Amino acid sequence: DQQVKQNSPSLSVQEGRISILNCDYTNSMFDYFLWYKKYPAEGPTFLISISSIKDKNEDGRFTVFLNKSAKHLSLHIVPSQPGDSAVYFCAARDITSGTYKYIFGTGTRLKVLA
Amino acid sequence: DAGVTQSPTHLIKTRGQQVTLRCSPKSGHDTVSWYQQALGQGPQFIFQYYEEEERQRGNFPDRFSGHQFPNYSSELNVNALLLGDSALYLCASSWARQGREKLFFGSGTQLSVL
Repeated sequence: DQQVKQNSPSLSVQEGRISILNCDYTNSMFDYFLWYKKYPAEGPTFLISISSIKDKNEDGRFTVFLNKSAKHLSLHIVPSQPGDSAVYFCAARDITSGTYKYIFGTGTRLKVLA
Repeated sequence: DAGVTQSPTHLIKTRGQQVTLRCSPKSGHDTVSWYQQALGQGPQFIFQYYEEEERQRGNFPDRFSGHQFPNYSSELNVNALLLGDSALYLCASSWARQGREKLFFGSGTQLSVL
């Protein structure tokens, strides 16, 4: 039962173009969403987050959009750079039990072509 | 300011053995979470420790246990290792009082069970 889904295992984008990574979730109790980037042999590093009370958050080249009615969020990277090539994980915070835990998607491997 | 540190970085064990993985959280953080990341998958939540107690647990058997020490560092123990326990084990720390806390990850321990 995958509560956070990233249906595209990989994505290739030309340098300078927009990268759009998608994430769907099933639990309406998720209240906070994060994107992490992971390079080989390293742990995931935090990229950007969004609260469930917002629909957009921007940080430099990275923008996250949240559509609560569709239970969908997306990460836009503009312009894409070769250094952005990594695996991107979407994560959602589950507070249903009173304390919290983060549930991760399976990741999307982004390749930015020079 | 040291980030999250994990040891060892790599470990090879045989089926039936026991293993202990260690984690030191980022300075100022009091909460430690452990994740298992199998090949091609996203991080799966194992459990979370706060104030030396297990506060939240994912769908992992009792063979997986942990501990948090007064200095907030943590250990993950896995007994009776199975081939399927081969994975990258990630430790993440956070600060419980922030409210919108994000996880900071270590580089992980790669466990291979033969």
